[in-house]
Amino acid sequence: AQTVTQSQPEMSVQEAETVTLSCTYDTSENNYYLFWYKQPPSRQMILVIRQEAYKQQNATENRFSVNFQKAAKSFSLKISDSQLGDTAMYFCAPDFGNEKLTFGTGTRLTIIP
Amino acid sequence: NAGVMQNPRHLVRRRGQEARLRCSPMKGHSHVYWYRQLPEEGLKFMVYLQKENIIDESGMPKERFSAEFPKEGPSILRIQQVVRGDSAAYFCASSRDRRSSYEQYFGPGTRLTVT
Repeated sequence: AQTVTQSQPEMSVQEAETVTLSCTYDTSENNYYLFWYKQPPSRQMILVIRQEAYKQQNATENRFSVNFQKAAKSFSLKISDSQLGDTAMYFCAPDFGNEKLTFGTGTRLTIIP
Repeated sequence: NAGVMQNPRHLVRRRGQEARLRCSPMKGHSHVYWYRQLPEEGLKFMVYLQKENIIDESGMPKERFSAEFPKEGPSILRIQQVVRGDSAAYFCASSRDRRSSYEQYFGPGTRLTVT
């Protein structure tokens, strides 16, 4: 079975600090894609960053970056210089090559002013 | 360029009624996915459709739930004889291609409340 685990139900950090959200998964596939989605209080799902499993280089999007460890099946999200607008639920959501996203249970991140 | 559109945004139904949720994909997208989010949980895949075809319905409950994506018009998720346990947010997503490398763009969701 393909599973996704986000072991941190809630996190909080001071504004401007750096925070890392963890995600581990289990799959027997070799080629797949990994995504982090953000769900703010508006409940809109917003794509934050994506990573192709065949790429060794970690993806970066402005203040967001990932630490992808394929052998360990780990895909953590780092948010640098956190801002109040980063307050949201964050979901790790791999696509294990079967064209559907498998979501973790989410991490509720609160940025404290 | 309009994003994925869903309507209604909020839907209230009494037990036993039918709920019909609509999703219009982004322009140029012909692949539609439906997900359900129960309170305080992550999204769960329900069904994947292309125009006039159901590709994967492995996440759909066996009874009362159906989905379609006709040649013309929006995709429809239909829930017959709703029960309280159907109360959830239902999200639709669309993508340009069926390959996994293409991102899925989500609509704002429909929040269904069954009273």
